[in-house]
Amino acid sequence: AQTVTQSQPEMSVQEAETVTLSCTYDTSESDYYLFWYKQPPSRQMILVIRQEAYKQQNATENRFSVNFQKAAKSFSLKISDSQLGDAAMYFCAYHASGSRLTFGEGTQLTVNP
Amino acid sequence: SAVISQKPSRDICQRGTSLTIQCQVDSQVTMMFWYRQQPGQSLTLIATANQGSEATYESGFVIDKFPISRPNLTFSTLTVSNMSPEDSSIYLCSVEGGQRVGNIQYFGAGTRLSVL
Repeated sequence: AQTVTQSQPEMSVQEAETVTLSCTYDTSESDYYLFWYKQPPSRQMILVIRQEAYKQQNATENRFSVNFQKAAKSFSLKISDSQLGDAAMYFCAYHASGSRLTFGEGTQLTVNP
Repeated sequence: SAVISQKPSRDICQRGTSLTIQCQVDSQVTMMFWYRQQPGQSLTLIATANQGSEATYESGFVIDKFPISRPNLTFSTLTVSNMSPEDSSIYLCSVEGGQRVGNIQYFGAGTRLSVL
């Protein structure tokens, strides 16, 4: 079974600084997708970024980018120029054909003014 | 993206009663899912709601406790039956637009359930 591991239960960053959230996963599949979701206190799960495993280029969405290392099964999220609104729980997730969307345990990000 | 309306947003219920949560999508979708998120934890899939057939439940979840309806391609309900304090959680519905791998799942705002 696929597993997703987020080894950082909590992280903090100063406003305007950069922070990296870690995620590793275990799979025997070669074709799959990886996601980062954000869950602020409002509870709404919001998609931050998506990476297709067959693409070597790292996905980027404005201030959010990933470092996808397929051989190492690593998928970290970098947030640049952190803003107070970035404070949330961040979940890494994995999805392959025939399997359900699998979430990590989450990383609670605090942004300090 | 899909816009999902989930009702109620929160409720406080008595032990032994049942609560039905509704999930309405603004477009027709093939796959709808129901998740439970216990306090401070990640999301756990309860079941996949299939239109025109019975829901597919994950290990540890049974139809008698969590009956699901999916009458059409835009609507689903989840009932939490015979509730106990251990059922206090956030319940979320999500949708996926198609069966292609990697289709993004969009989530409702969740229902915060407290059972006394």
